[in-house]
Amino acid sequence: GDKVKQSPSALSLQEGTNSALRCNFSIAATTVQWFLQNPRGSLINLFYLVPGTKENGRLKSAFDSKESYSTLHIRDAQLEDSGTYFCAAEPSNNRIFFGDGTQLVVKP
Amino acid sequence: EAAVTQSPRNKVAVTGGKVTLSCNQTNNHNNMYWYRQDTGHGLRLIHYSYGAGSTEKGDIPDGYKASRPSQENFSLILELATPSQTSVYFCASGEEDTQYFGPGTRLLVL
Repeated sequence: GDKVKQSPSALSLQEGTNSALRCNFSIAATTVQWFLQNPRGSLINLFYLVPGTKENGRLKSAFDSKESYSTLHIRDAQLEDSGTYFCAAEPSNNRIFFGDGTQLVVKP
Repeated sequence: EAAVTQSPRNKVAVTGGKVTLSCNQTNNHNNMYWYRQDTGHGLRLIHYSYGAGSTEKGDIPDGYKASRPSQENFSLILELATPSQTSVYFCASGEEDTQYFGPGTRLLVL
């Protein structure tokens, strides 16, 4: 989307390596969400963030509202991490804008 | 047990026909949403609702209507389907912290 820019658009990782995905906003986001769309098409919630950081297993996410960006770090990538990662920014109540996603392929 | 369900999961419609996509949630969330996702893109908001009887326009409402007859149910209606509405449609329910998505409906308009 034009309000939420994700980078890179596609990424290939070797199993066991680390990487970071980034989301830049042209809107004043108050919260950020990260989702994984798995190869079957299901959307899975990963993180909901106010400014700050959260960690869950091998995933860690940060949201800097002043600099208008968010990152998703993947540590020790596994095959099941493959899919499309979306970030979504919420500038006000009940409205949310999605980026176009980062397609991640983890190779053995 | 899935908290957000959609029906049908797949639909083929003809141009000019009427299509109704249904969504049911058992999360007891006030807010519900309809998005479409086109190949290579994120989700775009079509309509949303704050509760039973409420519908609001999202970012791309043209050609779509919505109906929220109850807390649990939120429908998306295409009165006159067009091939440009071929897409995958996702319903979601949510409160303040996050949104929970249904499995999606693949719609093909011929």
